Amino acid sequence: QVVVTQEPSLTVSPGGTVTLTCGSSTGAVTNALYPYWFQQKPGQAPTTLIYDTTNKHSWTPARFSGSLLGGKAALTLSGAQPEDEAEYYCLLYGGRRVFGGGTKLTVL
Amino acid sequence: EVQLVESGGGLVQPGGSLRLACVASGFTFSDYWMSWVRQAPGKGLEWVANIKGDGSDKNFADSVKGRFTISRDNAKNSLFLQMNNLRADDTALYYCLKDFQGYWGQGTLVTVSS
Repeated sequence: QVVVTQEPSLTVSPGGTVTLTCGSSTGAVTNALYPYWFQQKPGQAPTTLIYDTTNKHSWTPARFSGSLLGGKAALTLSGAQPEDEAEYYCLLYGGRRVFGGGTKLTVL
Repeated sequence: EVQLVESGGGLVQPGGSLRLACVASGFTFSDYWMSWVRQAPGKGLEWVANIKGDGSDKNFADSVKGRFTISRDNAKNSLFLQMNNLRADDTALYYCLKDFQGYWGQGTLVTVSS
């Protein structure tokens, strides 16, 4: 069973930059695992920010970007806003899908 | 506009069964893999199962294998999750997810309790 790892929590200052990562117990994360990134705020359904490593939806703020970094998938937030405070989950595709445990991002 | 609307949740006793449904609109339903994802109260997201567009391939999480089945009716743009032998740890909000590009429904709550 693949285990997908994320930082449990991160803090970023308003206007600052932070990178969330998503690793796999089976080795390097590549584009072949089609990394997804989701944002979830309390009491709301998740929304998809990034799909297939780097692709954004029309609703994805430009300050979010996806990439591969050091064998992991990465979500970078540049110019953090108070409304970005949320839980962030990654998902890797490999036949079965596996979510990471989530990163609680605090903007403070 | 892609829309996914789940239904069928409710309170069920341990060992009981429940069938969830998800009606899709705004895209060619039969072209896409679809998933069920759940979230227990206060916990993270857990992928449950998915099914190929034509229904010919299915995958399940180990936690539900042998108890849950996934199916679809492409003529009715509908996705289903049949849940049998339910346990307390199946209590969660169940979401329908269009795999490609990741469109989510609003979820339906399943509570397993005596």
